[in-house]
This record gives sequence, C-alpha cells and structure tokens, in this order.
Amino acid sequence: EAQVTQNPRYLITVTGKKLTVTCSQNMNHEYMSWYRQDPGLGLRQIYYSMNVEVTDKGDVPEGYKVSRKEKRNFPLILESPSPNQTSLYFCASRRQGENYGYTFGSGTRLTVV
Amino acid sequence: AQSVTQLGSHVSVSEGALVLLRCNYSSSVPPYLFWYVQYPNQGLQLLLKYTSAATLVKGINGFEAEFKKSETSFHLTKPSAHMSDAAEYFCAVTEDYNQGGKLIFGQGTELSVKP
Repeated sequence: EAQVTQNPRYLITVTGKKLTVTCSQNMNHEYMSWYRQDPGLGLRQIYYSMNVEVTDKGDVPEGYKVSRKEKRNFPLILESPSPNQTSLYFCASRRQGENYGYTFGSGTRLTVV
Repeated sequence: AQSVTQLGSHVSVSEGALVLLRCNYSSSVPPYLFWYVQYPNQGLQLLLKYTSAATLVKGINGFEAEFKKSETSFHLTKPSAHMSDAAEYFCAVTEDYNQGGKLIFGQGTELSVKP
C-alpha cells in the first residue's frame, strides 16, 4: 500500500531532551515536507526537501532540523524541545510535477512538558 | 505574499442539505489551489485540486469546487451532506508547485452534519 509512515504517533517528552520523529514513504516521491498543525492556525510548513541532500526552510523552521540522506526517509529532529513545540506534526510527500498532490502521514502528536 | 482565508471556523448543516465551505486566496500569480479533508485522528486527504485547467473541479466523495479568478475564491460545495462528511476541511494555495511546492493553508473549517 502506498503510504507515508510517521513514528511515533504520540510522544510526551520533557524540555530539552532531544527527539526524532521519523517519516518514510514507499512511493519513490521526490518532494517531502514537514508541517505542524496548531488550532486556529491551520498547517504551517517547517522544512521541505526537493530530493536527496536538498533541504530548505519553510515558514517556521526555528528549533527544528531535518536530513534527507535517502529518498524514502525525511526525519524531523528537535535538538532541544520546548513547550511551544507542542503540536501535531505531519509529514507529506509527492511526486515531482504539477499534477500530483501531496500524500500525508497520519500525524505525530507531540507534547513537551 | 500568498494567503488563504476560510470564512467560518465551524459550519453546521443538516443531513441532505447543501454544503458550502468558503475559501478566498491571495496570490500574485496564477495559483494552484487545493481542498483537503481531515477526519478525527487521521492525516489529510486530498479532496480536489485546481492546476489551471477547468475552473470547475470535481473531487472525491461528491465534492466540487469552482475557481473564480475575479472573486479570488475557491469555494467547496456538495449538493447533499452525509453524516460521514463530518470532518475538518482545509483550503490551501501554492504559487511555486515545482519549486518545493509549499502549501499555504487556511485555518480550517469544521463541518458538523446533523441528522
């Protein structure tokens, strides 16, 4: 089944403890992206990648890192999480070209206490 | 700069009634426009997209949207609501679909369907 898989689905952590949210897609998509969803704000892009070793900042990149060493994986790294990073995170991927829409993962609900 | 405004954070309709979810966008160039649906505890699912072809776009589950350049609108409609349509709906726009394709999302509209 074609899908974007995020892990974990739920995570509670403490301020300052480094964590990684994994994202993997099995569709050989070139583009991958991370969004965070907050009430009343919709979804905002954190980082995106147009292909292996090509990443760039989105609208809210502060406090996050990403890497794209393999085409299928695009992990989101929080080096020192803070409570304002408590949010619902989505990974998404799509094929290059204008006729293709993004496929979203099921989300990771992160709570930083 | 691109932006999206969804009028009404909550919309309630009766089963069988018309669904109308409003979306207005701001874009300096011809945009690509999308509607996504999010069911509880799930990711976003693409309902339909406009990419400069036909202005009336048909999507899944009986939804459609019409691109109106003069009104900078892309409202989502469905003639007859079903209980299973209850979800949150997001309108999104992008100008640079082949340069990373960052989607700018509206705030979302939660649709409730009453029996």
